[in-house]
Amino acid sequence: QKEVEQNSGPLSVPEGAIASLNCTYSDRGSQSFFWYRQYSGKSPELIMSIYSNGDKEDGRFTAQLNKASQYVSLLIRDSQPSDSATYLCAVDQNKFYFGSGTKLNVKP
Amino acid sequence: GAGVSQSPRYKVAKRGQDVALRCDPISGHVSLFWYQQALGQGPEFLTYFQNEAQLDKSGLPSDRFFAERPEGSVSTLKIQRTQQEDSAVYLCASSLTGTGSYEQYFGPGTRLTVT
Repeated sequence: QKEVEQNSGPLSVPEGAIASLNCTYSDRGSQSFFWYRQYSGKSPELIMSIYSNGDKEDGRFTAQLNKASQYVSLLIRDSQPSDSATYLCAVDQNKFYFGSGTKLNVKP
Repeated sequence: GAGVSQSPRYKVAKRGQDVALRCDPISGHVSLFWYQQALGQGPEFLTYFQNEAQLDKSGLPSDRFFAERPEGSVSTLKIQRTQQEDSAVYLCASSLTGTGSYEQYFGPGTRLTVT
């Protein structure tokens, strides 16, 4: 079992819809969780961090953490074509472990 | 302020050559990380520095890989006797403090191609 698992996608949503990206992790003791966005040919860009159970909102982005289920998600409201990218989940388990990413396509 | 910078951005090496990849972290950032990213995969941890101390090098794939950060700022990742399987993007990230409980910010990466 990999430390961090993500569905590779692609996830296709129409413009204006909510995109939901999911991630599970293996180490129940993990405390810190991050979402990165990576455009093709570019490096990862930090979108959000979350440390406590529940929801954390920042603009159109909401991160959700459920430590009991070892599950973290990212919701993107009012999706735009410019949101089309690969979204990487990262979990601090004494070192950063990244999932392989979910490719999101937002169709105009 | 300036972000993380890396050089060169692209490097082509013949198999067996040595290469050196440079990372200049965000000013004041204590922690520095190196990752390797293969096509279609997430970054994989290579090594971590806190100031000049290399606290974790468990991700370095072989003893051909060596990293240093002698003055606690700029870091160099050296790969000796490059092999084709070393072809990847090498990413450097820095964070203000801590061992990963704080956000990491990535540089643009160095794309290494070994022919």
